[in-house]
Amino acid sequence: GAVVSQHPSWVICKSGTSVKIECRSLDFQATTMFWYRQFPKQSLMLMATSNEGSKATYEQGVEKDKFLINHASLTLSTLTVTSAHPEDSSFYICSARDLDSGRDIEQFFGPGTRLTVL
Amino acid sequence: GQNIDQPTEMTATEGAIVQINCTYQTSGFNGLFWYQQHAGEAPTFLSYNVLDGLEEKGRFSSFLSRSKGYSYLLLKELQMKDSASYLCAAMDSNYQLIWGAGTKLIIKP
Repeated sequence: GAVVSQHPSWVICKSGTSVKIECRSLDFQATTMFWYRQFPKQSLMLMATSNEGSKATYEQGVEKDKFLINHASLTLSTLTVTSAHPEDSSFYICSARDLDSGRDIEQFFGPGTRLTVL
Repeated sequence: GQNIDQPTEMTATEGAIVQINCTYQTSGFNGLFWYQQHAGEAPTFLSYNVLDGLEEKGRFSSFLSRSKGYSYLLLKELQMKDSASYLCAAMDSNYQLIWGAGTKLIIKP
């Protein structure tokens, strides 16, 4: 149980285009999902916390107009990188909490999405 | 402020034991997590401690001292596949994870 998927696994796009990344909880309902970014040889950096049915909470320094987050259902959150630039190239990882499992504080991670902007 | 400290890199020999230390300072505390992350992959959960003491799970054990703001991950009978980064993360009063930079563990034959 507690499986989180991400799509796509990797994406290459041209500078200036927008990229959408999906995060799905496959076998549980996730009222809260988290979006992280990880640059090479660095730790996870929380970008935003996504709550179903409400606006995401962004961390300091993360542009909410550039990284659009939508958490439309209890099993799906999307991150859209708008007008992507090479410096946005990174490994994007989502995680979700399973509030019904009795282990509701543990975060289950998706496999990540490698974004390369040319 | 909130802070997690762990060594950047450690090297150990196959079959040996290694201990990865982590100290933390958070606003409130709701537990300490250890995750394993192989290069290019997402983190996988290893352990969670919220009470003082040692939690053993197979070859991996995790220890917590809340009064000292200290935890360690102990890996026994090291295997080559244990070569990875090990991330320490403390959960603050808002149930938000504060992440360490990770410890890269290199296993040598």
